[in-house]
Amino acid sequence: DTAVSQTPKYLVTQMGNDKSIKCEQNLGHDTMYWYKQDSKKFLKIMFSYNNKELIINETVPNRFSPKSPDKAHLNLHINSLELGDSAVYFCASTHTRARVAGNTIYFGEGSWLTVV
Amino acid sequence: QQQVKQSPQSLIVQKGGISIINCAYENTAFDYFPWYQQFPGKGPALLIAIRPDVSEKKEGRFTISFNKSAKQFSLHIMDSQPGDSATYFCAASMRGSQGNLIFGKGTKLSVKP
Repeated sequence: DTAVSQTPKYLVTQMGNDKSIKCEQNLGHDTMYWYKQDSKKFLKIMFSYNNKELIINETVPNRFSPKSPDKAHLNLHINSLELGDSAVYFCASTHTRARVAGNTIYFGEGSWLTVV
Repeated sequence: QQQVKQSPQSLIVQKGGISIINCAYENTAFDYFPWYQQFPGKGPALLIAIRPDVSEKKEGRFTISFNKSAKQFSLHIMDSQPGDSATYFCAASMRGSQGNLIFGKGTKLSVKP
């Protein structure tokens, strides 16, 4: 079974559309993330949720809205898609122990979003 | 401002050779330094990680060397194999950051047979 699974894997859509990417983890982790990897392969965190609570919200346009219905799921909804949103979006998860950095973060296989 | 600088951008090594990728960081609050390996079409996967209280960590053919005073760390891949061909990312995070990894820009490694 895939530990961190995302759907869809590929998504091609037109500018202005609204789309969602779903993520589920079956590792029992309490923290989930969305990372964005641009065309130059640069990886940057977008959001972090711990126990369904938003912890990190990097400077991401408010067209991006994460939603965590429970600890095992973190979905990403994107409104009014723009050409620059084309990227690979990775969901990830970890078990965060209080005041201890360094827990392994497990990544999903990515969702390739192409806006045309 | 890039907090973790990685070099080289790409690297070609012959099979059996040593691959070396370097990273430098700015923020002295970082206390966890992982390396991630990413194959085409896949997500990054943790390869090896180190904390600043040790200067070296070895796992099989992979070694991290860490120089706290210079704020630099590097990945050495001994006896490089074609199957090691991938993109490697160094990263850093700080205590209490909920695992927020700051990534380097990646190094594309090609190991020629």
